Amino acid sequence: AQKVTQAQTEISVVEKEDVTLDCVYETRDTTYYLFWYKQPPSGELVFLIRRNSFDEQNEISGRYSWNFQKSTSSFNFTITASQVVDSAVYFCALRLPTLTGNQFYFGTGTSLTVIP
Amino acid sequence: KAGVTQTPRYLIKTRGQQVTLSCSPISGHRSVSWYQQTPGQGLQFLFEYFSETQRNKGNFPGRFSGRQFSNSRSEMNVSTLELGDSALYLCASSLDLRGTGELFFGEGSRLTVL
Repeated sequence: AQKVTQAQTEISVVEKEDVTLDCVYETRDTTYYLFWYKQPPSGELVFLIRRNSFDEQNEISGRYSWNFQKSTSSFNFTITASQVVDSAVYFCALRLPTLTGNQFYFGTGTSLTVIP
Repeated sequence: KAGVTQTPRYLIKTRGQQVTLSCSPISGHRSVSWYQQTPGQGLQFLFEYFSETQRNKGNFPGRFSGRQFSNSRSEMNVSTLELGDSALYLCASSLDLRGTGELFFGEGSRLTVL
């Protein structure tokens, strides 16, 4: 069963528009961690943000902001005033601690193209 | 500080062959995990290693195996290759099993099976 769903496969926006990438996760665990990663055309995934299940505070970092809502099991990512450099594939991920280590679940990714 | 290094970067194999991929984590990182990335499937978790022990495994057949050495370097092996094994294989390291848990990824090994 898919634990992380990113329903948007591809999004195109014109530069300076705002864009929100959706992420819905599924778990019955009370302790879990959510992440967003960016994969630019060069290929290497870059960590953007982490949230644990006990911290529902939204976060803003420059043009990036994240909205974590346990009630809807969502962890959405908004880019304000998008730029061409934001063009990449973005992955939402869920880490579930287990007795022995961790299980990781990634969404299928959202490919964002920012058109100049 | 050197990042996660994966070798080889590209390789081509034929069906039935086997392949071994290598991953050197960031210095000081003790946990290594592996992922298969294919178009439309995103990243799928293969396994996680810590202290030379496999800690968790994803839903992959037994043809996929791995190991971790005492210096935290890791290898994964795929035997009896199938066409569907063509993918980008990513390795990620993190400081340890618990804690903040950010993964630091390598550039990947792109495997093509003909």
